[in-house]
Amino acid sequence: DSGVTQTPKHLITATGQRVTLRCSPRSGDLSVYWYQQSLDQGLQFLIQYYNGEERAKGNILERFSAQQFPDLHSELNLSSLELGDSALYFCASSVDAGGFYEQYFGPGTRLTVT
Amino acid sequence: EDKVVQSPLSLVVHEGDTVTLNCSYEVTNFRSLLWYKQEKKAPTFLFMLTSSGIEKKSGRLSSILDKKELFSILNITATQTGDSAVYLCAVPPFNDYKLSFGAGTTVTVRA
Repeated sequence: DSGVTQTPKHLITATGQRVTLRCSPRSGDLSVYWYQQSLDQGLQFLIQYYNGEERAKGNILERFSAQQFPDLHSELNLSSLELGDSALYFCASSVDAGGFYEQYFGPGTRLTVT
Repeated sequence: EDKVVQSPLSLVVHEGDTVTLNCSYEVTNFRSLLWYKQEKKAPTFLFMLTSSGIEKKSGRLSSILDKKELFSILNITATQTGDSAVYLCAVPPFNDYKLSFGAGTTVTVRA
């Protein structure tokens, strides 16, 4: 158990809908990262927050957005869902940012868009 | 562009064998290289190697970093079926905090 929690574990929804994925980082970690893993793409970085502020953006679609709240939990919002958005979404956290701190991954949310 | 390349893509061994996984990288301003093990779900952190820590060992797993030749090796000795997983190598690119992952090596250990 990494100490990072994610809810829900599974989500099944229809195209065009909107969902929210939630992540609580490990105690003491200020940085939260969101990754998407699909069968043909591997682990792809989406976005990072550090202490409430957006720090880095990866290949995140405009239909997706995220935020980190004062209690450091983070939410990833996916809207106008398409079949291709079906994937595993991981949240990771680290004590700080800068490339010298290991990231610990949550158990993931499996999103299925039908 | 920063690159992380793992080899082989997959391998099958028998219990008790030793496996060696490779990760080569091209990253500007190297800071660290991380190894993860991914079974059914989330990647589990194994090791982080930096300029000041180029060798790590934990039980039957060990890893080294060659900063000159820009690669890392993950060794698993006396493999067990529980070692079956995808092993991922990741590097944070220059001036960035995300992790760029290699495609992974799928290790299957047969009893």
